[in-house]
Amino acid sequence: GENVEQHPSTLSVQEGDSAVIKCTYSDSASNYFPWYKQELGKGPQLIIDIRSNVGEKKDQRIAVTLNKTAKHFSLHITETQPEDSAVYFCAAAGGGYSTLTFGKGTMLLVSP
Amino acid sequence: NAGVTQTPKFQVLKTGQSMTLQCAQDMNHNSMYWYRQDPGMGLRLIYYSASEGTTDKGEVPNGYNVSRLNKREFSLRLESAAPSQTSVYFCASSKDGSSYEQYFGPGTRLTVT
Repeated sequence: GENVEQHPSTLSVQEGDSAVIKCTYSDSASNYFPWYKQELGKGPQLIIDIRSNVGEKKDQRIAVTLNKTAKHFSLHITETQPEDSAVYFCAAAGGGYSTLTFGKGTMLLVSP
Repeated sequence: NAGVTQTPKFQVLKTGQSMTLQCAQDMNHNSMYWYRQDPGMGLRLIYYSASEGTTDKGEVPNGYNVSRLNKREFSLRLESAAPSQTSVYFCASSKDGSSYEQYFGPGTRLTVT
């Protein structure tokens, strides 16, 4: 089955800095790569996703890049703010009724 | 719309007791999922239901059963709780399979003593 590795497990940045979280996946058939944000005491919430026919996608301060050849994808957050502090999960799915496999998460701490 | 709702929010069980976690969604989604979240382990899929009337095992199904009661509701049952089942349980739903956004409920924190 699919295996998703996520790094780093914790990331501390100063407000205004950029943050990058990286994931690798094992199944070359995977074609959908979402990123979820989980705030303390809440369920995860989708913040951005990318499909295999696209190399990059942006949404305001958030961007995701995908390298299918190397089987890795990354989340980039620019101009970080304290409210960006949360746990971020990457995931991969093979399409149709295949299931999502999640990485183990990255705790992002943004200091004012 | 309430989205995905879960009951209860917290539960403490003794080893060997049984209980059912309830989940409902009001978004007319076809697919529903149960995950458990443990420290340092991320989210692991227990069972899922691709559509009403079907259920399938995920990565960690042992010790659990599920019922897709109707399109809205998907319950998770622990028949004989064990301390290893202490976890936070999340229910999620998506329009039609895992290639669509999954909407998560607020979670149930379960402790088995």
